[in-house]
Amino acid sequence: DTGVSQDPRHKITKRGQNVTFRCDPISEHNRLYWYRQTLGQGPEFLTYFQNEAQLEKSRLLSDRFSAERPKGSFSTLEIQRTEQGDSAMYLCASSLGLAGHGEQFFGPGTRLTVL
Amino acid sequence: GNSVTQMEGPVTLSEEAFLTINCTYTATGYPSLFWYVQYPGEGLQLLLKATKADDKGSNKGFEATYRKETTSFHLEKGSVQVSDSAVYFCALRRTNAGGTSYGKLTFGQGTILTVHP
Repeated sequence: DTGVSQDPRHKITKRGQNVTFRCDPISEHNRLYWYRQTLGQGPEFLTYFQNEAQLEKSRLLSDRFSAERPKGSFSTLEIQRTEQGDSAMYLCASSLGLAGHGEQFFGPGTRLTVL
Repeated sequence: GNSVTQMEGPVTLSEEAFLTINCTYTATGYPSLFWYVQYPGEGLQLLLKATKADDKGSNKGFEATYRKETTSFHLEKGSVQVSDSAVYFCALRRTNAGGTSYGKLTFGQGTILTVHP
């Protein structure tokens, strides 16, 4: 399967713990996006990378959140000192092309539950 | 700011019924418009898109026309099937006058569609 993959698919953690998610985009896709989706809502943009450069971050991305894409391939999203409000589905998408025109292909998501 | 509003669901239909899911948007610039679908247990998939006013996107029997005058992009299908049961999301991607896309998608809240045999 050459689609976008995310790991883990599910994560349960206690409040205050740190968690890290990984996204592997489609090979050679230069753009990688992170979104968050809460129950009953559409995905909300968090941040995106073009190759290894993080070009935009949403105001939703508090100081407890950090994302990296060190070699322009896979990306990680870390949440420090998790809070119950962080419980959501975290989606990754990748696309190919300049100027953001490429179709975004989504991964299956990582469901985070903070107890 | 940019926003997308979808008709509230859930929507329940019998097989072969006509489907309309309303979507309206607010955006600066020249947005591209999309419908994504999420089948049970699967990730989001692009269903169709339109990149300029009066364009019609179509796929798998679904259609949507980009109406700038009414800022709408309603999804329609003439005869739904049980396999169309899913969550449907309308989304926009802002583009400036020079054609540069800002990349990120702004989604509506989603509409759950259930089709009964």
